[in-house]
Amino acid sequence: TQLLEQSPQFLSIQEGENLTVYCNSSSVFSSLQWYRQEPGEGPVLLVTVVTGGEVKKLKRLTFQFGDARKDSSLHITAAQPGDTGLYLCAGWGGSNYKLTFGKGTLLTVNP
Amino acid sequence: DAGITQSPRHKVTETGTPVTLRCHQTENHRYMYWYRQDPGHGLRLIHYSYGVKDTDKGEVSDGYSVSRSKTEDFLLTLESATSSQTSVYFCAITPFLGESEAFFGQGTRLTVV
Repeated sequence: TQLLEQSPQFLSIQEGENLTVYCNSSSVFSSLQWYRQEPGEGPVLLVTVVTGGEVKKLKRLTFQFGDARKDSSLHITAAQPGDTGLYLCAGWGGSNYKLTFGKGTLLTVNP
Repeated sequence: DAGITQSPRHKVTETGTPVTLRCHQTENHRYMYWYRQDPGHGLRLIHYSYGVKDTDKGEVSDGYSVSRSKTEDFLLTLESATSSQTSVYFCAITPFLGESEAFFGQGTRLTVV
C-alpha cells in the first residue's frame, strides 16, 4: 500500500501570512494531485503535477512536485480567510493504479 | 459541475442492519470509487469499479460489498452495519486512470447506533 504523509495536520494563521503544506511518500507516483475540501462538500481538484521538478502556480498558490516524484508541496502566499479548508494531496500509482489520499491539512486563516 | 449524486445524504441505522448507499453519475465515466472519510484518517478507498460488473477491493473493504449493474450506478452495501462504520462516505468518478481529475459527490453521513 502506498502511503502519503501530510504535514502539518492542522494550521491556524493570520490573514496575510504565508504557509507551506508538505506531502511525502517513500513510493514513486506517476502524478500527484492537490484537492481542497470545504465542510459538507466533496473534495475539488486544485492541480495535477506530473513531471519531477514541476512547479505550477494558481494565483497565490504554488505547487511543486519533487524531482524523484515522491513528494510535493503547496505554498500559499498572503493567505486569505477564503483559503480556509481541508487540503488533501493524492497520488496515482501502485498496483491497479489507484488514487491514494493523504490524511489532509486543515487550514484556518483568521481575519 | 460533474453530474454525480449520492443518496441518501444522511442516514441513521441500527447495528446489525444492512444498509445500501447509492452513487449515480450522468458523465458516463468508466471508473467509480467509494471512499470513507474519518477524522485523522483522511479518505480511504473501500471498493472501486473499472466497468459494469467489474469491481475490486480497496484498503478497507471488510464488511462492505459493491455492485455495478449499469455504467451510471455504483452501490455500496454494508452487510451488517457496525458502529465502526459510522463515517462520511464519498463516491468519486474518473474518466480514466492516472492524471485524471476525480469528481466527488457531496457525501453520505452514516451513523450506526
